[in-house]
Amino acid sequence: AQSVTQLGSHVSVSEGALVLLRCNYSSSVPPYLFWYVQYPNQGLQLLLKYTSAATLVKGINGFEAEFKKSETSFHLTKPSAHMSDAAEYFCAVSPTGNQFYFGTGTSLTVIP
Amino acid sequence: NAGVTQTPKFQVLKTGQSMTLQCAQDMNHNSMYWYRQDPGMGLRLIYYSASEGTTDKGEVPNGYNVSRLNKREFSLRLESAAPSQTSVYFCATTGPKRGTQYFGPGTRLLVL
Repeated sequence: AQSVTQLGSHVSVSEGALVLLRCNYSSSVPPYLFWYVQYPNQGLQLLLKYTSAATLVKGINGFEAEFKKSETSFHLTKPSAHMSDAAEYFCAVSPTGNQFYFGTGTSLTVIP
Repeated sequence: NAGVTQTPKFQVLKTGQSMTLQCAQDMNHNSMYWYRQDPGMGLRLIYYSASEGTTDKGEVPNGYNVSRLNKREFSLRLESAAPSQTSVYFCATTGPKRGTQYFGPGTRLLVL
């Protein structure tokens, strides 16, 4: 069975501080992994995805994530938080490319 | 290109009423999906369609039906709405590059 666990439903960081959003997954086959961002009253937008190439994936808006197979993790980071990063972030896994399993989301607050 | 569009944006129903949520995409994608988003539960797959003429149940299909009218359109029907179906509904498509999902803006449904 596939599942995604996002530790911390709410994360607060100061503007300029490191952002770290955690994601662990379980999958019976090597998965594709994703991070999506959702701004208020909008749909989800792809931030980045891992597709079995480089383990360190760079996405939009300065975000990146590292695939660690031994830890079954795909944590999202950004060196310096900006006010515009305040949003909900979802980690997702797709073992087959047909179905996608989402985590419960992490709401990021950026404190001025 | 409009991408993925959904109608209506917001709907209020009384228990027992029926309605159809519409989704259309102009991206020429084969796969289309319906999710519901509830607080603290992330996105859960209701139904998906890998191609025109095929549909499959997802994680939470009970109380819903779908129709893949053609390649562009994928509708979700609630035959007899229940308060438990109060949610935000998202339509999504998947492109040829495995795993990149494109989401519509969502439909907010309130069932009284």
